[in-house]
Amino acid sequence: EADIYQTPRYLVIGTGKKITLECSQTMGHDKMYWYQQDPGMELHLIHYSYGVNSTEKGDLSSESTVSRIRTEHFPLTLESARPSHTSQYLCASSPRGTGLSPLHFGNGTRLTVT
Amino acid sequence: QKEVEQNSGPLSVPEGAIASLNCTYSDRGSQSFFWYRQYSGKSPELIMFIYSNGDKEDGRFTAQLNKASQYVSLLIRDSQPSDSATYLCAVRAGYSTLTFGKGTMLLVSP
Repeated sequence: EADIYQTPRYLVIGTGKKITLECSQTMGHDKMYWYQQDPGMELHLIHYSYGVNSTEKGDLSSESTVSRIRTEHFPLTLESARPSHTSQYLCASSPRGTGLSPLHFGNGTRLTVT
Repeated sequence: QKEVEQNSGPLSVPEGAIASLNCTYSDRGSQSFFWYRQYSGKSPELIMFIYSNGDKEDGRFTAQLNKASQYVSLLIRDSQPSDSATYLCAVRAGYSTLTFGKGTMLLVSP
């Protein structure tokens, strides 16, 4: 069983607020990812990291930012939340090495911006 | 642009039947293939992965890969109502990030 944790599980927040979604994993995985998924829709990669101090933007343009100061921690920040940011945010990780490793997902954060 | 295509469904099968889920991909350099199951409102969970042409079996699940046809499938034998979920196909070329399909919704009726 993968040990990857996301908090909060649910978040309702007003427009303009700054928020940080937390993601931590205890498996020592080098690679971490953030996906955005609207209900019934596909996963979109918004950020990823292949190690400490390494971050890249994904396929979907996002107004969020990420940081990777510690291997186990990969928080996502929205400086000014908007209703268009309402979605489910999924964090995932995978070990370094070959490209054959699957992703392990956290339970997700469901964000609602009012 | 890497693409992974899946029929969105829903695919409806009666309990006990075999469910066949299909996925095609555009990048011929793809090397690893994954099937995830996602229940409504939940995060994806890994069902199976396959790297080599042919079949790979795990319990009631069989993944089939045909790289020449750029096609990967998932068979679920003895389908149960608890198998009702969306099944995501994901593909990776080399060390790149995973590309997910939109998923196929499976409905298993009692």
